[in-house]
Amino acid sequence: EAGVTQSPTHLIKTRGQQATLRCSPISGHTSVYWYQQALGLGLQFLLWYDEGEERNRGNFPPRFSGRQFPNYSSELNVNALELEDSALYLCASSPKGLDTEAFFGQGTRLTVV
Amino acid sequence: AQSVTQLGSHVSVSEGALVLLRCNYSSSVPPYLFWYVQYPNQGLQLLLKYTSAATLVKGINGFEAEFKKSETSFHLTKPSAHMSDAAEYFCAVTINQAGTALIFGKGTTLSVSS
Repeated sequence: EAGVTQSPTHLIKTRGQQATLRCSPISGHTSVYWYQQALGLGLQFLLWYDEGEERNRGNFPPRFSGRQFPNYSSELNVNALELEDSALYLCASSPKGLDTEAFFGQGTRLTVV
Repeated sequence: AQSVTQLGSHVSVSEGALVLLRCNYSSSVPPYLFWYVQYPNQGLQLLLKYTSAATLVKGINGFEAEFKKSETSFHLTKPSAHMSDAAEYFCAVTINQAGTALIFGKGTTLSVSS
C-alpha cells in the first residue's frame, strides 16, 4: 500500500513568488494535515483538512492557504514568499478519529532565496 | 489549549545505556499522547500512542512510555540504546474534540555513542 506522497521533494523559489506543494494521502484517509518544520522550531501546525473542508488552522498568516480535492489530495499554497518560509513542509494523513495514527510523508524542502 | 514541552533538546547516551526522553503536556481535558521518531531526511514515524487505555504503552523498537496524570508527563524510555536509535524524537498531544490536531513539542535529538 502506498504511503503519503508529497511533491516536489525540493523547491527553490525567489522571495515574493508563490509556492505550491502537493500531498496525496493514504487510500481511505480523509484527513490531511500540513506542518512546517523550520530549523530549531520543531513542527508547527499549519492546516487541517477533512472531507474537503478546512477544519482548523495554526497561527500562520493568510498567505498560507490550501485546499483539499474530492479525491482527498491536498495543496498547500504559500504566497508572497519570505526568506523565513524556508523549511521542510510535512503532510500527514489519517482516517477519521482523533485517536488514530497520523502517517507522514517525506516532506517538501522549500528554499526561498 | 493543549501544549507539549520536551525537556532537553539533545540527549546523549552510550550504546546499551538507558534512554529517557522527557515530555510534559498541558491539557484541560483528557489528552491523547504520541511519540514520533524522525530519521535524517525522512518523515515522521509513530513509535507509540496513549489513548486513555493502559497507562504503560509499549511501542515499536523496544520503546515504551508511561502516562502519569499527576505529573502531566509522558516520558519515553528504552532499557538499552542501540546505535540505530539515533534520531530526533517528537512528543505530540491532541484531545478528543472536533477541530483539533496534533500539537508537537520542539523535539529531542538522541545521540548514541559506541
